Amino acid sequence: EPEVTQTPSHQVTQMGQEVILRCVPISNHLYFYWYRQILGQKVEFLVSFYNNEISEKSEIFDDQFSVERPDGSNFTLKIRSTKLEDSAMYFCASSGIGQLYEQYFGPGTRLTVT
Amino acid sequence: AQSVTQLDSHVSVSEGTPVLLRCNYSSSYSPSLFWYVQHPNKGLQLLLKYTSAATLVKGINGFEAEFKKSETSFHLTKPSAHMSDAAEYFCVVGRAGGTSYGKLTFGQGTILTVHP
Repeated sequence: EPEVTQTPSHQVTQMGQEVILRCVPISNHLYFYWYRQILGQKVEFLVSFYNNEISEKSEIFDDQFSVERPDGSNFTLKIRSTKLEDSAMYFCASSGIGQLYEQYFGPGTRLTVT
Repeated sequence: AQSVTQLDSHVSVSEGTPVLLRCNYSSSYSPSLFWYVQHPNKGLQLLLKYTSAATLVKGINGFEAEFKKSETSFHLTKPSAHMSDAAEYFCVVGRAGGTSYGKLTFGQGTILTVHP
């Protein structure tokens, strides 16, 4: 069964450093998403991406964040200058044509900012 | 705006007894509703979905949920709990219509514990 994969599973970084979280969505999906879950809080939507453009973003997704699909398989989330409050589990998801809300999630990357 | 409230943060049942995880939603549009499950150290797995067809929705592993518009509820049930059902469950709403491009709104999660 096809699945979404994410690397690394755990990333530790120092405050102010740049991090790139990587995702490989399901191969025939065209819609891609990032969500995050701060420990003890709800899973929160960050951004949706389609046709090489951001479709929708939340107020969390400020200028420190960017997304990219650098090739036909990867989808990345970059945090330019990490803050302590960026520590969270980051989930990538993808969905297919006509099934926008039926999203398949990866296992997540735990980001720890020290 | 859309929102989801899961009424119990923890539910504990004995193996073989029924499971009820409660969820209420709020949406300005006809919603798409989902239940996701997350086992420890695993990703979020889609359990079932409601997208305005039948109000009683069947999912994987014997789970089902009933959409009740009058009560704005989408409770998850299973007749008989199994030890492998122990996990965290998320009720999720997606907006249908308007200018939304796939944003899912999650409830805070319910941790299900199953005792032998």
